Amino acid sequence: DVVMTQSPLSLPVTLGQPASISCRSSQSLVHSDGNTYLNWFQQRPGQSPRRLIYKVSNWDSGVPDRFSGSGSGTNFTLKISRVEAEDVGVYYCMQGTHWPLFTFGQGTKLEIK
Amino acid sequence: QVQLVESGGGVVQPGRSLRVSCAASGFTFSTYPMHWVRQAPGKGLEWVAVISFDGTNKYYADSVKGRFTISRDNSKNTLYLQMYTLRPDDTAVYYCGGAGYWGQGTLVTVSS
Repeated sequence: DVVMTQSPLSLPVTLGQPASISCRSSQSLVHSDGNTYLNWFQQRPGQSPRRLIYKVSNWDSGVPDRFSGSGSGTNFTLKISRVEAEDVGVYYCMQGTHWPLFTFGQGTKLEIK
Repeated sequence: QVQLVESGGGVVQPGRSLRVSCAASGFTFSTYPMHWVRQAPGKGLEWVAVISFDGTNKYYADSVKGRFTISRDNSKNTLYLQMYTLRPDDTAVYYCGGAGYWGQGTLVTVSS
């Protein structure tokens, strides 16, 4: 099974400062079709998950452009250029390459310092 | 506007069964694979099951294989998760998702 490992697990950030979350997979996430199915989700306190980024770096509708995704192979990063108060929550990476088994990372809790 | 609305959660005794549903609207439900994901209290997200767009292929996490059944009715734009032989560690909020969207979840509590 593919294991997704996120770091850090806790991320205190000052408002207006950048933030970065790492996600590493135990196997390459490059699919035989050439795509890399790595998604990022945000879960605000008390809310359901919301997908922010799909296929490494593509924004879902309505996602602010201060969020960006990058990476390849087994190493991926979610960056927030300037953290705002509404960004507080838990962020998860999820792989969909190794269909039909999907795997989430443990989650990274972003909080304001 | 895309909506996914789960229902059917509740309190159930260990060993009993329960079916949760997910009503979809605002997108072409019949063209997308659909997932169930769950979240135990205070824990992270756990993928549970996926079903292909036409319902012919179904896959499960090892933790629920043989006990849970995912299904869909494309004529009703509805996704289902039938849960059998429930255990206390199945206690979680169950979310349905597809096409990049997720519902608000329904809480299933397994307790005597």
